Amino acid sequence: AQRVTQPEKLLSVFKGAPVELKCNYSYSGSPELFWYVQYSRQRLQLLLRHISRESIKGFTADLNKGETSFHLKKPFAQEEDSAMYYCALHSGGYQKVTFGTGTKLQVIP
Amino acid sequence: GAVVSQHPSRVICKSGTSVKIECRSLDFQATTMFWYRQFPKQSLMLMATSNEGSKATYEQGVEKDKFLINHASLTLSTLTVTSAHPEDSSFYICSARRQGVTYNEQFFGPGTRLTVL
Repeated sequence: AQRVTQPEKLLSVFKGAPVELKCNYSYSGSPELFWYVQYSRQRLQLLLRHISRESIKGFTADLNKGETSFHLKKPFAQEEDSAMYYCALHSGGYQKVTFGTGTKLQVIP
Repeated sequence: GAVVSQHPSRVICKSGTSVKIECRSLDFQATTMFWYRQFPKQSLMLMATSNEGSKATYEQGVEKDKFLINHASLTLSTLTVTSAHPEDSSFYICSARRQGVTYNEQFFGPGTRLTVL
């Protein structure tokens, strides 16, 4: 069985402070991990995926297979980063997605 | 970009009636679409995987006779909540997997708010 764990329901940081949203996974195969973001009153959208090793809006995430983690990081938080962030694992022939419970990021001005 | 629409955006119905929600991929073909349910302040829960031309695959605990899924074409999947009850009130979200791409990327619809009175 696959599982995605996001231990923090809410993370509050001051503007300009570093951000780290934690994500741990459990999966027997080779995982494909993603971060999705949902801004207030908007649909869920892809933020970044581990396979492309990209930086989007200043966010990065590194897959650590040894620690089974895929933490999302940003060196300097901005107010516009306030949103719900979901870590997700894609697997299976039909590309089933398992979502974590989400972390609400609140950036305090 | 890839766009997924849902219709209606919100619906209010009486207990015992059936409600159909449509999910469309507007500018790409999707052999696979997914239906999720999201409770207030909670994560998305996968209900079923909808495959064009074949039966949907339901997650454990989801009643297939209550939540009917039809994926009639490469751009349309429908979710019908049959004999709806107040406990079915929720936010229903669909997503579509774009066909032929290397990455397993999904594009999400805006969601449908269902309220059963």
